[in-house]
Amino acid sequence: GAGVSQTPSNKVTEKGKYVELRCDPISGHTALYWYRQSLGQGPEFLIYFQGTGAADDSGLPNDRFFAVRPEGSVSTLKIQRTERGDSAVYLCASSLTENEKLFFGSGTQLSVL
Amino acid sequence: GESVGLHLPTLSVQEGDNSIINCAYSNSASDYFIWYKQESGKGPQFIIDIRSNMDKRQGQRVTVLLNKTVKHLSLQIAATQPGDSAVYFCAENKDGGNQFYFGTGTSLTVIP
Repeated sequence: GAGVSQTPSNKVTEKGKYVELRCDPISGHTALYWYRQSLGQGPEFLIYFQGTGAADDSGLPNDRFFAVRPEGSVSTLKIQRTERGDSAVYLCASSLTENEKLFFGSGTQLSVL
Repeated sequence: GESVGLHLPTLSVQEGDNSIINCAYSNSASDYFIWYKQESGKGPQFIIDIRSNMDKRQGQRVTVLLNKTVKHLSLQIAATQPGDSAVYFCAENKDGGNQFYFGTGTSLTVIP
């Protein structure tokens, strides 16, 4: 497809489990972002990739969160030892290059029981 | 700390009227601003953007105004339609960098 694709659209897991969320950006977009959105709030920045490297990971809340983009395209957000407070919509966005408008996917709704 | 905030959390307008959604920002170094529309269950959708070397930009039925003196941004929607009902966010690139900060959003409801 032409847009940003995120899978799965919904993920239910138990407290303490490990999850992976996938993002497939728009073809040719070099910049990729992960955001987290809680109900009634705006998206909260987590991490930004330029190519394969994490250019800014200052938004990751703690060391349970990690993201990779090994080939400069698809990215995976990994959350270890999930907690109930991790429940949120995780949004991925891509842009053609740095400091350009972001195009968002539909998000992954993560529910930690 | 730095923040992007919205003046009104909710806004109701009659179909056909014009809508104005406001946003205040506090980081004077921010030089790129984007308005997004988010419908329930979907990701934010790009509406219009503006860089700090401009004070006005127009799109189809939408206009963004930027007042750098008072660090204020507004989105004007002409002839509002029921399909415009959504939450609207403004985002800024803090310090002119590549990290975009979002406000909490304004919920727009269009009354038929």
